[in-house]
Amino acid sequence: KAGVTQTPRYLIKTRGQQVTLSCSPISGHRSVSWYQQTPGQGLQFLFEYFSETQRNKGNFPGRFSGRQFSNSRSEMNVSTLELGDSALYLCASSTTTSGSTNEQFFGPGTRLTVL
Amino acid sequence: AQRVTQPEKLLSVFKGAPVELKCNYSYSGSPELFWYVQYSRQRLQLLLRHISRESIKGFTADLNKGETSFHLKKPFAQEEDSAMYYCALHLSGGSYIPTFGRGTSLIVHP
Repeated sequence: KAGVTQTPRYLIKTRGQQVTLSCSPISGHRSVSWYQQTPGQGLQFLFEYFSETQRNKGNFPGRFSGRQFSNSRSEMNVSTLELGDSALYLCASSTTTSGSTNEQFFGPGTRLTVL
Repeated sequence: AQRVTQPEKLLSVFKGAPVELKCNYSYSGSPELFWYVQYSRQRLQLLLRHISRESIKGFTADLNKGETSFHLKKPFAQEEDSAMYYCALHLSGGSYIPTFGRGTSLIVHP
């Protein structure tokens, strides 16, 4: 099976702009989670989608949003970008939701730089 | 709020030496703990989870609820074990908010 794919891999934006990142899960996986990874804060959970519904959400402002399509592909949107949004954004998929014991498969990440 | 602490940012050992990567957590409920690993130029991947009580690549981890710890151990380190290791806490009971530690970089010297 093909692994989790994320596009684009690298992105440069300026403050105030908005950005959309895309994640395609492993075929058959219905849960997609998003994480932000920075040197200062480490790996932080953003949100999880399952069957097109947001099931869980981390402690991030409303500028961070996402959605999931019927084919389980997911997008994450960040509006009004700030310098502090520069990070590696990781997507992970798993077979089911409330995946406290389910293995997550991670994508390679999208490196976002905000200037 | 739940928290995961990995006190060592870097752990450097020689091949064949025992390895222990520390992980402490704070959570009042029933935790579900995991270790993830990221090898150089590879993706983050699950190494092991406490519920499985398994040994992966010679690594084991025991959940100690009294000490709120989930240390990762291997009796004899190999050079290919060099990687970044993350301890993670997933809440049980339906709320899925995974919390990761900051990670420990393990370097195994020949």
